[in-house]
Amino acid sequence: TQLLEQSPQFLSIQEGENLTVYCNSSSVFSSLQWYRQEPGEGPVLLVTVVTGGEVKKLKRLTFQFGDARKDSSLHITAAQPGDTGLYLCAGGDYKLSFGAGTTVTVRA
Amino acid sequence: ETGVTQTPRHLVMGMTNKKSLKCEQHLGHNAMYWYKQSAKKPLELMFVYSLEERVENNSVPSRFSPECPNSSHLFLHLHTLQPEDSALYLCASSQEPYFVGQAALDTQYFGPGTRLTVL
Repeated sequence: TQLLEQSPQFLSIQEGENLTVYCNSSSVFSSLQWYRQEPGEGPVLLVTVVTGGEVKKLKRLTFQFGDARKDSSLHITAAQPGDTGLYLCAGGDYKLSFGAGTTVTVRA
Repeated sequence: ETGVTQTPRHLVMGMTNKKSLKCEQHLGHNAMYWYKQSAKKPLELMFVYSLEERVENNSVPSRFSPECPNSSHLFLHLHTLQPEDSALYLCASSQEPYFVGQAALDTQYFGPGTRLTVL
């Protein structure tokens, strides 16, 4: 099983601030995914990164895949209360391995 | 309905009870999954069905028994559970059959989960 470690475990910020969450592994992944899970719901896919060094933007969210394809980051600019949720990274070939997640709380 | 639905949303059961969780996907997907989500732990893959055949049993105790009667429905039968089995049980589906080996390229669509409490 390929292990993914996410940090920090919890993050609480004020509306308008920026934040970054990290996903690290000792294994090389052919691709990584980021999901967001809101309370009472299942995870929803945000993005898939495939190429080492790749940067993808989704409105105020920026996703980066490390050059060695062992790590990834998610940066949120000018966070809003609607960004609150559990952010999960996942990777794998036949089956996905998930990190434990980062719980993000954006206070109004 | 669209997407992936799960029933019931909440379930409280005693250790001697027998209950079943139901999942239904309306997406025409070829693979379906059961995950267990416990507090502060990564999602744990339990079972995978691809083209209605079980292709993955991730060392899950026999008190959990999956069933996939057709490509749209997935059940998880529960019996003689333990309190440590209390968790959120998530069902998911994806388009590609499992053997394609592109899990991280394919999108998994999750249901809202069943919050299970074992007393």
